[in-house]
Amino acid sequence: TQLLEQSPQFLSIQEGENLTVYCNSSSVFSSLQWYRQEPGEGPVLLVTVVTGGEVKKLKRLTFQFGDARKDSSLHITAAQPGDTGLYLCAGPIYTGANNLFFGTGTRLTVIP
Amino acid sequence: GAVVSQHPSRVICKSGTSVKIECRSLDFQATTMFWYRQFPKQSLMLMATSNEGSKATYEQGVEKDKFLINHASLTLSTLTVTSAHPEDSSFYICSAREAGGRARSYEQYFGPGTRLTVT
Repeated sequence: TQLLEQSPQFLSIQEGENLTVYCNSSSVFSSLQWYRQEPGEGPVLLVTVVTGGEVKKLKRLTFQFGDARKDSSLHITAAQPGDTGLYLCAGPIYTGANNLFFGTGTRLTVIP
Repeated sequence: GAVVSQHPSRVICKSGTSVKIECRSLDFQATTMFWYRQFPKQSLMLMATSNEGSKATYEQGVEKDKFLINHASLTLSTLTVTSAHPEDSSFYICSAREAGGRARSYEQYFGPGTRLTVT
C-alpha cells in the first residue's frame, strides 16, 4: 500500500484548460512537497506546504494542504505546454525524518 | 544556490562490471545525501540514506553489498553498482540536505540523475 496516492495517474489536456492533481494519504504528514520532473532530469521543488489548510500560489499553480494534513492538491489554471511533466508529491516518512516518501506521480501532457 | 550535480549523466556497461556514480553538492555542505532509483514511468523509490562519515542506511529490499555507498566528505557521495545486471538498468537520482543553514529540515536538493544501462 502506497503511503501517498496521486490521482490521476495520467492526464492529457489541451492548452488553456484547467486541471487538478490530488495527493492523498491515510497518514498525517508534517509537511508535503510538490515537485515537477521532466524526462531525463531530477525533480525540481515547486512548493512546500506545512500548515493544515494552507494555500500557496506560484503563478498559475495553486497548492493546498488539507486541514487534517493528510492530503494536498495542485491546481493549474490555463495550462501551457511548458507545464508538461511528471508531478510528484512527497513528504517526510515521519515528523522530523530526513528522508522523503514520494507519491505515485501524475504524468501531465499539455497539448498545444 | 543549492546545486547538486551527478556524474556521469549516462553510462552503459556490460553485465558483471561495476559502475560508480558520483553525487556532489556544489555550493553547500551536505551532511546527508539520499539515493533514489526510478524505473520508467514510475515514481522515485528511496534506496538508501548516506550520512557523512558513517555507514549508509539502506531501505528494505535494497542489497547493501550490491549498492555500495560512500559519503567520504560533506560534498561528495558515491554509489557503486557492483556486478551489474540488466535488471539494474534504471535512472539513479541523488539528493542532498544542507547542513544547518538555509534549508528547512525536510528540504532536499536533487541532482539531474544518471541513466544506467546494463547490457
